[in-house]
Amino acid sequence: DTAVSQTPKYLVTQMGNDKSIKCEQNLGHDTMYWYKQDSKKFLKIMFSYNNKELIINETVPNRFSPKSPDKAHLNLHINSLELGDSAVYFCASSQSGFSNQPQHFGDGTRLSIL
Amino acid sequence: RKEVEQDPGPFNVPEGATVAFNCTYSNSASQSFFWYRQDCRKEPKLLMSVYSSGNEDGRFTAQLNRASQYISLLIRDSKLSDSATYLCVVNGRGSTLGRLYFGRGTQLTVWP
Repeated sequence: DTAVSQTPKYLVTQMGNDKSIKCEQNLGHDTMYWYKQDSKKFLKIMFSYNNKELIINETVPNRFSPKSPDKAHLNLHINSLELGDSAVYFCASSQSGFSNQPQHFGDGTRLSIL
Repeated sequence: RKEVEQDPGPFNVPEGATVAFNCTYSNSASQSFFWYRQDCRKEPKLLMSVYSSGNEDGRFTAQLNRASQYISLLIRDSKLSDSATYLCVVNGRGSTLGRLYFGRGTQLTVWP
């Protein structure tokens, strides 16, 4: 069984479009995250939710809006996509929001903007 | 200055070799430290946590030097399957929130 699953795995779209990425975890974890890994391979946190409550909101354009309908799901909606949004987006989860907890990652969504 | 600095490599070693990676972090208040492994075009996976006294897991040994704000990972008897990028990960500014900072990663290739 997949612990953290993201859909779609690949997303190719044109500039200006709006798209969503979905994430679900079946580990019973309280905390979920969105990360962006750019072409230079740096993995940077974007958002974190603990029990549906936003706890980390890094400096991310407000075109990016996370939504957590319940603690097992954290979706990411992106408006007006730009070329610089091309990256791999990883969802992750951890037992709690404490930083000594390991994070479990989904296998990523590869977003390409044409 | 970046939160976590790593030598990106690449390190190319023969099977059976011992290889060591280093990492430095900028926040002296950091309390949680990890090594993650990322295979090409895959997700990062936890390799091991790093404890103050140092810890070992099979062929892998992690060390932490708080005074120098330095973390290391030693891999003994390298296997072909060890080829991957190794990410040094540190938590944020003394916060208990799950804010982790990832290094750029050190690429390792083990050849037969």
